[in-house]
Amino acid sequence: GAVVSQHPSRVICKSGTSVKIECRSLDFQATTMFWYRQFPKQSLMLMATSNEGSKATYEQGVEKDKFLINHASLTLSTLTVTSAHPEDSSFYICSARWDRDYPEAFFGQGTRLTVV
Amino acid sequence: GQNIDQPTEMTATEGAIVQINCTYQTSGFNGLFWYQQHAGEAPTFLSYNVLDGLEEKGRFSSFLSRSKGYSYLLLKELQMKDSASYLCAVADSNYQLIWGAGTKLIIKP
Repeated sequence: GAVVSQHPSRVICKSGTSVKIECRSLDFQATTMFWYRQFPKQSLMLMATSNEGSKATYEQGVEKDKFLINHASLTLSTLTVTSAHPEDSSFYICSARWDRDYPEAFFGQGTRLTVV
Repeated sequence: GQNIDQPTEMTATEGAIVQINCTYQTSGFNGLFWYQQHAGEAPTFLSYNVLDGLEEKGRFSSFLSRSKGYSYLLLKELQMKDSASYLCAVADSNYQLIWGAGTKLIIKP
């Protein structure tokens, strides 16, 4: 099956610093990648959708300047949390889709971000 | 608006059968997914239904009725490792996944 690799799986950073999370599709070309955020005991919250070579589409309420998304190639998307604050601590998950008309999404392993 | 409803939490006994329901109202329909998510992990794919009827895959089955906007996930011969959250998601007319809040399933011995 399709494999999506997300790195790092866990990261602890200091307030005010930036953290980059990578999401790679290992055995397919991802036309679309999605970034989610999940707080404890809550469901997935879509943050943004990115298509290769174009700007990401952010969901309402998600700050574009704080959560920078780059989808430079068909196999890699990155999410950078800038000027991190403790309230940004969460579980971030990416997913990738290989066909715009086939909606199954393959998930990365997730990244547990803790801002201290 | 778009809406996916599923129970917040369910409890079942090891070895028994449990059915998790999902109702949806979306702008268009291009299939319904069920995912399993263990605490602290990413969701894993369980099933995809785009036509009406029952799809069986081992201990898990998924049913869809498009006219009723309804699906269920049926888990048989429950095992302790089945304790997890089960997420229902519908692909809308733009093939965007709309997620339910998830059903936390607790299995008791």
